Amino acid sequence: GAGVSQSPRYKVAKRGQDVALRCDPISGHVSLFWYQQALGQGPEFLTYFQNEAQLDKSGLPSDRFFAERPEGSVSTLKIQRTQQEDSAVYLCASSRPDYPPRTQYFGPGTRLLVL
Amino acid sequence: DAKTTQPTSMDCAEGRAANLPCNHSTISGNEYVYWYRQIHSQGPQYIIHGLKNNETNEMASLIITEDRKSSTLILPHATLRDTAVYYCIVSGGTSGTYKYIFGTGTRLKVLA
Repeated sequence: GAGVSQSPRYKVAKRGQDVALRCDPISGHVSLFWYQQALGQGPEFLTYFQNEAQLDKSGLPSDRFFAERPEGSVSTLKIQRTQQEDSAVYLCASSRPDYPPRTQYFGPGTRLLVL
Repeated sequence: DAKTTQPTSMDCAEGRAANLPCNHSTISGNEYVYWYRQIHSQGPQYIIHGLKNNETNEMASLIITEDRKSSTLILPHATLRDTAVYYCIVSGGTSGTYKYIFGTGTRLKVLA
């Protein structure tokens, strides 16, 4: 079946621009996660949704980062007034069941470059 | 901080078994061990997971020690396409957000 998809795959933004990154999870998956991966590092957790509820946003690095999942399926990660340090790969993952194990399946990521 | 520690890098000859160790001494009773790999410019790919028993699937085997404080991922016949960064993650259970905390992983290089 179809996996997690993300768009765009690549995004170049000028410093100060706003960007929106989209994630389409696997159909029927309840949970959705966003991670940020800097060059040469492992992914770092940003935020978590269960259906449309954002239950954990402890990893968002600043108030310039905002995520939503209004209908419990597609999610958008928005970064306002982008800075060069926002350059990274943004990964989305989804998992289906509401019981263990909650294996996460990752999308290909969006590579953001802020100039 | 990551809940797991892994060697930074390993080499393996093509066709031989690759054994990737992971220490997770603070694992709690209801947490699972997951293994993923990441090939350059791709998202992490799920390989296998386990709770306490050894597990095997078409990609790999997972050996978990009886005290659950460490595990080993085994790729039985490594190929050049297995060259990747391998992440061992401890997560899950019955509470929490189930977020993954990645360490730096093991960079496996399969040599021809």
